[in-house]
Amino acid sequence: EAGVVQSPRYKIIEKKQPVAFWCNPISGHNTLYWYRQNLGQGPELLIRYENEEAVDDSQLPKDRFSAERLKGVDSTLKIQPAELGDSAVYLCASSLRQNTEAFFGQGTRLTVV
Amino acid sequence: GENVEQHPSTLSVQEGDSAVIKCTYSDSASNYFPWYKQELGKRPQLIIDIRSNVGEKKDQRIAVTLNKTAKHFSLHITETQPEDSAVYFCAAALYNFNKFYFGSGTKLNVKP
Repeated sequence: EAGVVQSPRYKIIEKKQPVAFWCNPISGHNTLYWYRQNLGQGPELLIRYENEEAVDDSQLPKDRFSAERLKGVDSTLKIQPAELGDSAVYLCASSLRQNTEAFFGQGTRLTVV
Repeated sequence: GENVEQHPSTLSVQEGDSAVIKCTYSDSASNYFPWYKQELGKRPQLIIDIRSNVGEKKDQRIAVTLNKTAKHFSLHITETQPEDSAVYFCAAALYNFNKFYFGSGTKLNVKP
C-alpha cells in the first residue's frame, strides 16, 4: 500500500514569491492534515480536512496561506507571498478516522531566502 | 486547547540501557496518545500508541504507560540500540476532535 505522497521534497524560493505543496493521502483516508514543523520542534497543525471540508483551520495564517482539497482526495497548500519565517518542513498526514493513527508523508522542506 | 509538554529535550544513553521520555497534557478530555519516531530527514512514524481506557501497553522493547489522574504518559525503551537514535514525539488527541497536539520532541542518542 502506498503511503502519503508529497511533492516537491525540497523547495527554495525568494521571499515574496508564491509556493505550492501537493499531498496525496492514503487511499480511503477521509481525514487529511497539514502540519508545519520548525527545526527542533514538534509538528503544529495548520489545517485539517474531513473529506473536502476544512473543519479546523484556526492555525492557518489566512492572509497568506490557503489550502484546498478538491473531491476529498488530493490537497494543495499554498503560500503567497512567502516570508523568511515560513522556512520549515511542511508535513501532510492522513488518517482513516478520528483518533486513529496519522500517517505522515515525507514532507516538503521549504527554504525562503 | 490542549498543551503537551515533553521532557527531556535531549537524552543520551549507553547501548543496552533503558530510556524514558515523559509527557504531560492539560486537557482531561484527551483520550488517544501516540508516540512517533522521526529519524533525521525522514517522516514521523508511529511506534506505539495508547488509549485512555488502558494504563500500559507493550510492544517488544517499547512500552507506554498512562496515568490519567496525573495527566502524564511515558515512553520506555529497554535494551536500547544505536538504531533507536532519533527524535521522539509524543502527542495527545482530544476525543472526537481528531486533532493531534505534539510535544516538542526528545532527541535520543544511543552510544555504542
